[in-house]
Amino acid sequence: ETGVTQSPTHLIKTRGQQVTLRCSSQSGHNTVSWYQQALGQGPQFIFQYYREEENGRGNFPPRFSGLQFPNYSSELNVNALELDDSALYLCASSPPRTGELFFGEGSRLTVL
Amino acid sequence: EDQVTQSPEALRLQEGESSSLNCSYTVSGLRGLFWYRQDPGKGPEFLFTLYSAGEEKEKERLKATLTKKESFLHITAPKPEDSATYLCAVRANSGGSNYKLTFGKGTLLTVNP
Repeated sequence: ETGVTQSPTHLIKTRGQQVTLRCSSQSGHNTVSWYQQALGQGPQFIFQYYREEENGRGNFPPRFSGLQFPNYSSELNVNALELDDSALYLCASSPPRTGELFFGEGSRLTVL
Repeated sequence: EDQVTQSPEALRLQEGESSSLNCSYTVSGLRGLFWYRQDPGKGPEFLFTLYSAGEEKEKERLKATLTKKESFLHITAPKPEDSATYLCAVRANSGGSNYKLTFGKGTLLTVNP
């Protein structure tokens, strides 16, 4: 069974640019969540997608947006990058009804 | 606002020296407390979910317990490969999203041979 996979693993952008991060859910999982983890901190909830719609959002501005596709894969888009956006971005998928989150290895974003 | 506080921030043990990590929480209606293990540069690895006070779960050298205000992760006779950051997270009624977790900052555990 394939777990949650994320791409790219590492990337470097400059301030003001835009970035798209991708996530493939674990087989049988229909809910996807995205988290931001700054160095030395715990992950912070960005938003969650279920049935291709956002159904929960944390304290992140609208320049953070996402998509979920019919095969349950997902994208996280961040516009107008700021230096503070440098972090590990984690995708997690959840099987129906259990509420347990299974994380991918993350995408490390550096904004210069 | 839901809050999770983990202590200590860092813990150094000798191989075989048992100890406990603490996770205290403040939520309006707990719907689950989660423990994860995270290795450097990797995503969190799921360990346990606890739902009600008095519940306990075990996995190899790890045992998680839950009270109404805190959870403990007991590590019995740790080995160097248990070295990692251990994260605690809660899901609460105030979360809005069905699956939103609020995480603590973690405890960095180092086990020396």
